[in-house]
Amino acid sequence: GAVVSQHPSWVICKSGTSVKIECRSLDFQATTMFWYRQFPKQSLMLMATSNEGSKATYEQGVEKDKFLINHASLTLSTLTVTSAHPEDSSFYICSANAVLGQPSSSNSPLHFGNGTRLTVT
Amino acid sequence: AQSVSQHNHHVILSEAASLELGCNYSYGGTVNLFWYVQYPGQHLQLLLKYFSGDPLVKGIKGFEAEFIKSKFSFNLRKPSVQWSDTAEYFCAVTNTGGFKTIFGAGTRLFVKA
Repeated sequence: GAVVSQHPSWVICKSGTSVKIECRSLDFQATTMFWYRQFPKQSLMLMATSNEGSKATYEQGVEKDKFLINHASLTLSTLTVTSAHPEDSSFYICSANAVLGQPSSSNSPLHFGNGTRLTVT
Repeated sequence: AQSVSQHNHHVILSEAASLELGCNYSYGGTVNLFWYVQYPGQHLQLLLKYFSGDPLVKGIKGFEAEFIKSKFSFNLRKPSVQWSDTAEYFCAVTNTGGFKTIFGAGTRLFVKA
């Protein structure tokens, strides 16, 4: 099946530094990728939709300048948490719609990366 | 706004018991419906999906779900659970023509051996 690779799987950083998380589609092209945040014992909260070659679409309440998204190619989207603070500590997950051999559509199920656990000290 | 509601946050069952997890969504248009499962220490994966046609859909590992349009529901069922079904289950909705998927809060299922 379609594989989404996310890196790093965990990162610890100091308050005030920036952290970059990569999301790659390994065996398909993804014009659209999604970034979610999952708090403990809560559901996935959609942060933004990453669009290849154009600006990301952010959900209400998500700071664009805080969470920078770049989707420079059909197989890579990056999320940069800028000037991280302890309240940014969370589990970040990327995903993409995919059915191998077919264009992505809303019918395509999401394939998830393994997630990145960010801890800001 | 689109939303997904899962009725049970925690469910504990004994092996061989029947399972039904409730899911309701709020959206006026046509939707695609999904159930995802997250086993301990693993990433989310698709359990089953509904796009159109027969409202009773079958997924992997003996799971099935029924779409009842009039009730805006998409409940997940399994006649006889196994210890290996211990996981967290998420209901999700995508409006057709769009790509954004909204998730319910999840239900943690623990199956006692």
